[in-house]
Amino acid sequence: EPEVTQTPSHQVTQMGQEVILRCVPISNHLYFYWYRQILGQKVEFLVSFYNNEISEKSEIFDDQFSVERPDGSNFTLKIRSTKLEDSAMYFCASRGTGGRHSNQPQHFGDGTRLSIL
Amino acid sequence: RKEVEQDPGPFNVPEGATVAFNCTYSNSASQSFFWYRQDCRKEPKLLMSVYSSGNEDGRFTAQLNRASQYISLLIRDSKLSDSATYLCVVHSGGYNKLIFGAGTRLAVHP
Repeated sequence: EPEVTQTPSHQVTQMGQEVILRCVPISNHLYFYWYRQILGQKVEFLVSFYNNEISEKSEIFDDQFSVERPDGSNFTLKIRSTKLEDSAMYFCASRGTGGRHSNQPQHFGDGTRLSIL
Repeated sequence: RKEVEQDPGPFNVPEGATVAFNCTYSNSASQSFFWYRQDCRKEPKLLMSVYSSGNEDGRFTAQLNRASQYISLLIRDSKLSDSATYLCVVHSGGYNKLIFGAGTRLAVHP
């Protein structure tokens, strides 16, 4: 079964440094998402991406965050100047076709654990 | 009011028990509903979609009551491997961002 893959599985970074989290969505999917989960808390939506642009973002997704699909396969999340509170699990997800309001489920990668020191 | 609200548990049940989880959501315009399962420090995995007429997948039964904005999950004949956190998840419309509940922990013991 095709799956979403994320790298690295664990990233340790000094506060203030830039970090890039990478995702390879399922190949024929068109809608891409980033979520985060702070330890012990619920999963929170960060951003959705469709047709090479951000379609929706949350309040968490401030100017320090950016997303990119640099080629036909990768989908990246960049945090420009990391803060201690950015420490969390970051999950990438993708969804297939079916249009904007489709009820197709999203499929999640196994996440990147980001630790900011 | 939280967008998606669940009883955090934990629910501690013996193998073979039947257990039910409930969930309420605040946005009456929500369009799609799911139950995901999350094992400790792992990614959410889709357990099942929830349809208006109710639906069943093996030992799992999901129900939706749009009027009450209420979703349920019933697990019959619990197995040790069912131990996990069960996440009630709602599509909020737009480009379908998912809104997660905080999850209900289930521990099945021998």
